[in-house]
Amino acid sequence: GAGVSQSPRYKVAKRGQDVALRCDPISGHVSLFWYQQALGQGPEFLTYFQNEAQLDKSGLPSDRFFAERPEGSVSTLKIQRTQQEDSAVYLCASSLGRGANYGYTFGSGTRLTVV
Amino acid sequence: KNEVEQSPQNLTAQEGEFITINCSYSVGISALHWLQQHPGGGIVSLFMLSSGKKKHGRLIATINIQEKHSSLHITASHPRDSAVYICAVGLTDKLIFGTGTRLQVFP
Repeated sequence: GAGVSQSPRYKVAKRGQDVALRCDPISGHVSLFWYQQALGQGPEFLTYFQNEAQLDKSGLPSDRFFAERPEGSVSTLKIQRTQQEDSAVYLCASSLGRGANYGYTFGSGTRLTVV
Repeated sequence: KNEVEQSPQNLTAQEGEFITINCSYSVGISALHWLQQHPGGGIVSLFMLSSGKKKHGRLIATINIQEKHSSLHITASHPRDSAVYICAVGLTDKLIFGTGTRLQVFP
């Protein structure tokens, strides 16, 4: 597609449930980023892939969070045993180049609500 | 102290007014990005700059590397400019975001 596609657009999960969020980046984009945006805050970095390699996962808040990009295109962010504090918008962005010097294209995000 | 700080946090304006949003950062950066986020929507990249000034339509972005400061200006503001404007600085492989400036432009 022409842009970064994220699904689902909205997700309501019961506390303790596992969720999987999907990101389809722009075809050919090398870099893929996941960010978490709490209500009223700016996005916070979670993790970064360059092709299939996860180069930085320093922002993942706990070992309940796991991300993968096995073939260097689609990425999945998985959250196990969701907690209320996980409620946020999860944004995916992709970039043609490597590193933060290139333009980013953002998806519309997945709004996760844990009840 | 946040690495990226924006001011003001909230801004209201009448249609036609000149708008300025400021961004200060405390880390060495490779580039600075200005982004726009509409309610319920994704983020749109407006500018990426590492020096000087860029202009796109009614939007102008400037950066002073020595002072670690950037500004986003909107000339002849319009209600459709109402959105959250976010400054983000590029480190080696990721962006660090400010908390955003919520702009409302009234007719």
